[in-house]
Amino acid sequence: DQQVKQNSPSLSVQEGRISILNCDYTNSMFDYFLWYKKYPAEGPTFLISISSIKDKNEDGRFTVFLNKSAKHLSLHIVPSQPGDSAVYFCAASGVGTSYGKLTFGQGTILTVHP
Amino acid sequence: ETGVTQTPRHLVMGMTNKKSLKCEQHLGHNAMYWYKQSAKKPLELMFVYSLEERVENNSVPSRFSPECPNSSHLFLHLHTLQPEDSALYLCASSQPLSLAGANEQFFGPGTRLTVL
Repeated sequence: DQQVKQNSPSLSVQEGRISILNCDYTNSMFDYFLWYKKYPAEGPTFLISISSIKDKNEDGRFTVFLNKSAKHLSLHIVPSQPGDSAVYFCAASGVGTSYGKLTFGQGTILTVHP
Repeated sequence: ETGVTQTPRHLVMGMTNKKSLKCEQHLGHNAMYWYKQSAKKPLELMFVYSLEERVENNSVPSRFSPECPNSSHLFLHLHTLQPEDSALYLCASSQPLSLAGANEQFFGPGTRLTVL
């Protein structure tokens, strides 16, 4: 049973436009969410996180939105740049999960075209 | 060296071989993790160490044996692996753990393992 799902395997966007990556979760105990970016031949790199006490967190071009009632979060990248092309993973954790455990989605491949 | 490093980056081994993966973190963290990423699957947590003590063993077969001699080093000893164990093995580290939730984890580049 996959508790964190990224239903879009891939997304293609034009440079300068908005990229929206989506993530759904099923475990209502999750209260902390993270986004990671991964380039080929590198490990995932932490991008941005959000606690369940917030519904939005912004860091430069990256904004994460959390809709707790829908158990849905999204990552917005504005404006998108070719260097943003990578695999994006969402991850979740929370009270009641064991030590430091993050549950990851399967990833979305973002391609930003010049 | 900065961040989290892993060696080797690539490893090919036979089913009867014994090998070890090494991870080193230079971030002053005291929690370390092993993950497995198979093709088209999410990252799967294998082991968690906090203050050099194993606190999570996620139903991993005994042919994978972790070792954490100190807070900066983590090993994954491999023996009698199966072809289906071929995957990318990622190490990560983080600040001290608490039951209240996760901290951001910093990942190494991974070891691409192929079992023949």
